[in-house]
Amino acid sequence: DAKTTQPTSMDCAEGRAANLPCNHSTISGNEYVYWYRQIHSQGPQYIIHGLKNNETNEMASLIITEDRKSSTLILPHATLRDTAVYYCIVATIGQNFVFGPGTRLSVLP
Amino acid sequence: NAGVTQTPKFRVLKTGQSMTLLCAQDMNHEYMYWYRQDPGMGLRLIHYSVGEGTTAKGEVPDGYNVSRLKKQNFLLGLESAAPSQTSVYFCASSFWTGSSEQYFGPGTRLTVT
Repeated sequence: DAKTTQPTSMDCAEGRAANLPCNHSTISGNEYVYWYRQIHSQGPQYIIHGLKNNETNEMASLIITEDRKSSTLILPHATLRDTAVYYCIVATIGQNFVFGPGTRLSVLP
Repeated sequence: NAGVTQTPKFRVLKTGQSMTLLCAQDMNHEYMYWYRQDPGMGLRLIHYSVGEGTTAKGEVPDGYNVSRLKKQNFLLGLESAAPSQTSVYFCASSFWTGSSEQYFGPGTRLTVT
């Protein structure tokens, strides 16, 4: 079973920030939080990951709460091409990933 | 650098036929994985490999076999295809150390009639 809970779907206006939440209340100390997205049945694409500190890269920012029980993926300026299913996964190094149903993000013009 | 490639992209089989799906990666990754994805669902792990010559079962291994004779290749076999194996199959690879993010191929769409 997936160790994370995500909303089924979300909408976001083009150009605005998209904030995707993920609940992982049973996360253990050595588990990372990974985010992937899947655009229209293509192979999933890695976005970002973190352990306990906030992380930022060219695609997104990851905010992890201090107790690590939840996190938020932020796409700062969403475009139509960001429409996809976003998966939040928790796993230790080398552990197999468990993909849940994810959040379907629709970026609206 | 092609990343992860999968062959074929599409295939239609009749019940009982066999086939092999090929996954190749050029990133010198130790770990390789086969997933299936059914409509509206997340990915489920079929089999995986932590290195050349090794394989292990994932969440849904029944009806599939795998082989990792070369580090860069991971083969998924269906010995006797069933309609329940109609799905999109994704291969992925990752380093064995570090943060182990997985890199995915474009998928193979298989229909079993």
